[in-house]
Amino acid sequence: DAGVIQSPRHEVTEMGQEVTLRCKPISGHDYLFWYRQTMMRGLELLIYFNNNVPIDDSGMPEDRFSAKMPNASFSTLKIQPSEPRDSAVYFCASSLLAGQETQYFGPGTRLLVL
Amino acid sequence: AQSVTQLDSQVPVFEEAPVELRCNYSSSVSVYLFWYVQYPNQGLQLLLKYLSGSTLVKGINGFEAEFNKSQTSFHLRKPSVHISDTAEYFCAVSVWVSSYGKLTFGQGTILTVHP
Repeated sequence: DAGVIQSPRHEVTEMGQEVTLRCKPISGHDYLFWYRQTMMRGLELLIYFNNNVPIDDSGMPEDRFSAKMPNASFSTLKIQPSEPRDSAVYFCASSLLAGQETQYFGPGTRLLVL
Repeated sequence: AQSVTQLDSQVPVFEEAPVELRCNYSSSVSVYLFWYVQYPNQGLQLLLKYLSGSTLVKGINGFEAEFNKSQTSFHLRKPSVHISDTAEYFCAVSVWVSSYGKLTFGQGTILTVHP
C-alpha cells in the first residue's frame, strides 16, 4: 500500500487566495483526520470523518476553513480566504477504527501564506 | 477532557547513551496511550502503543515505554540511542470509551543525538 497520500507537498500563496489541500487515505480505512502543526500550538486535530461523514469539526479554527470527503478515497481541506496565520504544516491521517487503532499519517502539506 | 504533558521540550544526548522521554497524562476515564515519532520533513509514525495488559510495551527501533497508572505516566525509553534516532517524539492519549475516539497529542520532545 502506498500509505496516505497528500498533495501538494508545498504551497505558497498570497493572503486572500483560496487554498485546497488534498488527501487520499489508505484503502479500507474508515476514519480520516486532518491535523495542523505549528510551532506555537503543536499538533491540533481540525476535523475527522467516519465513513465519509464529518463527526467532529470542533477543531476547525474559523468559517474560512472547510473540509469535505465526497468518497472513501478522497478528502479536501479548503481555506478561503487564506491568511498569514494559516501558515503551518497540515497532515492527513487515516485509521481502520478510532480509539485504539493506529493512525497512519501522510507526509504533510507545508503551507506558507504571504 | 484528557490532556498530555511532555515534560521536556528538548533532550540532547550522546550516541550510545540511554534516554528517557517523559510523558504525563490526565483523564477522568481509562485511556489508550501512544508514542509517535516524526523525522524531519515527514509525517508521524507509530513507535508503540499501550491498550491493556502488560504495562511494559515494546515498540520499533528498540524503544519501550512503561504505563504507570498511579503516576499517570507513560515514559519512553531506549537503552542505547543512535544518531538516526534524532527526531521529534509525541506522546498521545485516546479516550477508552468515547464516541469520538480521537487522539490528543503532547507538545512534542525533540531528541537530538550527538556523536
